[in-house]
Amino acid sequence: DTGVSQDPRHKITKRGQNVTFRCDPISEHNRLYWYRQTLGQGPEFLTYFQNEAQLEKSRLLSDRFSAERPKGSFSTLEIQRTEQGDSAMYLCASSPKTSTGELFFGEGSRLTVL
Amino acid sequence: GESVGLHLPTLSVQEGDNSIINCAYSNSASDYFIWYKQESGKGPQFIIDIRSNMDKRQGQRVTVLLNKTVKHLSLQIAATQPGDSAVYFCAEKSKGTYKYIFGTGTRLKVLA
Repeated sequence: DTGVSQDPRHKITKRGQNVTFRCDPISEHNRLYWYRQTLGQGPEFLTYFQNEAQLEKSRLLSDRFSAERPKGSFSTLEIQRTEQGDSAMYLCASSPKTSTGELFFGEGSRLTVL
Repeated sequence: GESVGLHLPTLSVQEGDNSIINCAYSNSASDYFIWYKQESGKGPQFIIDIRSNMDKRQGQRVTVLLNKTVKHLSLQIAATQPGDSAVYFCAEKSKGTYKYIFGTGTRLKVLA
């Protein structure tokens, strides 16, 4: 499978615990995005990487959220001290540098905070 | 499977009819627009895009219209099929940024 891969697909955690999601973009895609989606809403932009550099970060991303892309390939999104309001689908997308703009999305990681 | 968009605006269309899904945007600096389709439990899937220097673009069974005067975008689906049932989102990007902002979405239901 050469699409965007996300892991885990589902995560249930207790409030206050830390969680980490991983995204493997399409090979050679240098742009990588994280979005959050709640029921009834469109995806909300969280952050964007070009290679290993985090170029944009939403104000929605509190200091409990951190994203990394250390080698410019896979990325991780960590949420510390989770809150019930963090329950959502976390979507990763990638696009090649030469792309006109299309984002290729993964299937998402569903987080449920109890 | 997971349901996306329980309280989204819904458009119900008879199979074989044409569908028109609308989207309003507010940022006059938006220079690129995309329509995505999202099926239950899946990530958004690209349908068609259009740049701000165009007012119409056609794909296979889909057409996107852009009216910059009133900041309105529409997606037309010809001969709607059951497989078109999904939630549809428009997304916009501003010049000078690679951040894509998504709208709230419209659920399309195709009636047999």
